[in-house]
Amino acid sequence: DTGVSQDPRHKITKRGQNVTFRCDPISEHNRLYWYRQTLGQGPEFLTYFQNEAQLEKSRLLSDRFSAERPKGSFSTLEIQRTEQGDSAMYLCASISQAGTGGTEAFFGQGTRLTVV
Amino acid sequence: GQSLEQPSEVTAVEGAIVQINCTYQTSGFYGLSWYQQHDGGAPTFLSYNGLDGLEETGRFSSFLSRSDSYGYLLLQELQMKDSASYFCAVRGRNYQLIWGAGTKLIIKP
Repeated sequence: DTGVSQDPRHKITKRGQNVTFRCDPISEHNRLYWYRQTLGQGPEFLTYFQNEAQLEKSRLLSDRFSAERPKGSFSTLEIQRTEQGDSAMYLCASISQAGTGGTEAFFGQGTRLTVV
Repeated sequence: GQSLEQPSEVTAVEGAIVQINCTYQTSGFYGLSWYQQHDGGAPTFLSYNGLDGLEETGRFSSFLSRSDSYGYLLLQELQMKDSASYFCAVRGRNYQLIWGAGTKLIIKP
């Protein structure tokens, strides 16, 4: 257990429905990241928060995706009008205030989304 | 564009040493990380190189040559529990990670 928790662990939804995932990072970590991973591939960066501010979004993040971190603690990732191509593992990671190197990201167990 | 290349699969024998190579082409480089991921599990941090040279952590070592855009992960005294996928990832300006496709390590008794 890394201390990062994600909910739910699994989600099956019908195409066109909206889904929301939650991530609770390690409490003292101010940096939070969302990644998406499909089978046999490495994770792909989606978006990054420092405290409550969303500071970077990947071009992979279409306008159907939105993420929030309202109080700089937990974060949510919402996908609207889901498509079969959204089926993937959605991973959340947190990092403490970065100093020097040794930037260890702590990952949650992920939410596996299946769109049918 | 950005790309990281690593072998898709490596096979080794229990107790042996294995090296997993990674070459990268990225816009902006702030360091190279290595992560381990067991099937169905979360990636877990193994090692990080911000500067050229060798970093050693127990049975695992990682090397970086920024001039060659190349790094490797060295695993010694392989154990069956080391069977997993290993990813190299370049660290970006905001500490986000750009990942390779991963190397599946198969260990035989």
